[in-house]
Amino acid sequence: QVQLQQWGAGLLKPSETLSLTCAVSGGSLSGYFCSWIRQSPGKGLEWIGDLIHSGSANYNPSLKSRVTISVDTSKKQFSLKLDSVTAADTAIYYCARGFVAAAGPLFDHWGQGTLVTVSS
Amino acid sequence: EIVMTQSPATLSVSPGERATLSCRASQSVSTNLAWYQQKPGQAPRLLIYGASTRATGIPGRFSGSGSGTEFTLTISSLQSEDFAVYHCQQYNNWPPGTFGQGTKVESK
Repeated sequence: QVQLQQWGAGLLKPSETLSLTCAVSGGSLSGYFCSWIRQSPGKGLEWIGDLIHSGSANYNPSLKSRVTISVDTSKKQFSLKLDSVTAADTAIYYCARGFVAAAGPLFDHWGQGTLVTVSS
Repeated sequence: EIVMTQSPATLSVSPGERATLSCRASQSVSTNLAWYQQKPGQAPRLLIYGASTRATGIPGRFSGSGSGTEFTLTISSLQSEDFAVYHCQQYNNWPPGTFGQGTKVESK
């Protein structure tokens, strides 16, 4: 059974760097989208970006200048870094593994979510 | 970027009744449309993909329809465990990834 377990700091000050890691067990990352998605309080889902092992990373244009997603397939982990956070980055962050469908992914496995709060 | 618009924002339904949720794309996504269910404190769960195919383990009371720009998720007879937020996602043009803003199904 595939499971995603994520971890990282939950409380940040403005201008700090958000750093989260997601580990997959019971399955592989090769050939799958390794994605990060966030949800601000009471809001919908916002795609942050993703990386598929055989390709390059794709990022939300609104976050592109501050985001880095990386994958370590040998460890079956992928990570998110978001620089220079502000209060607007306060959200629940999810990692998700997506299988390839059409031009994009279908997310059939998700991490448990990490609430990241940005406050001075 | 394809913009996904869901309606209504909130749907009040009594248990046993039918719930109909809508999702509209700003341009055609063919049938490359998925629905997710999200309960409080949980991550989303894949319900429907290909606009009408139920994911593994999803009960038959959930059905999806539509193509192009107009899509519908129907819950034929709402059960207590179905009260949740439902999100649509297109995967026809990626990146960027786009989701709708969600429809909350609440008890009437």
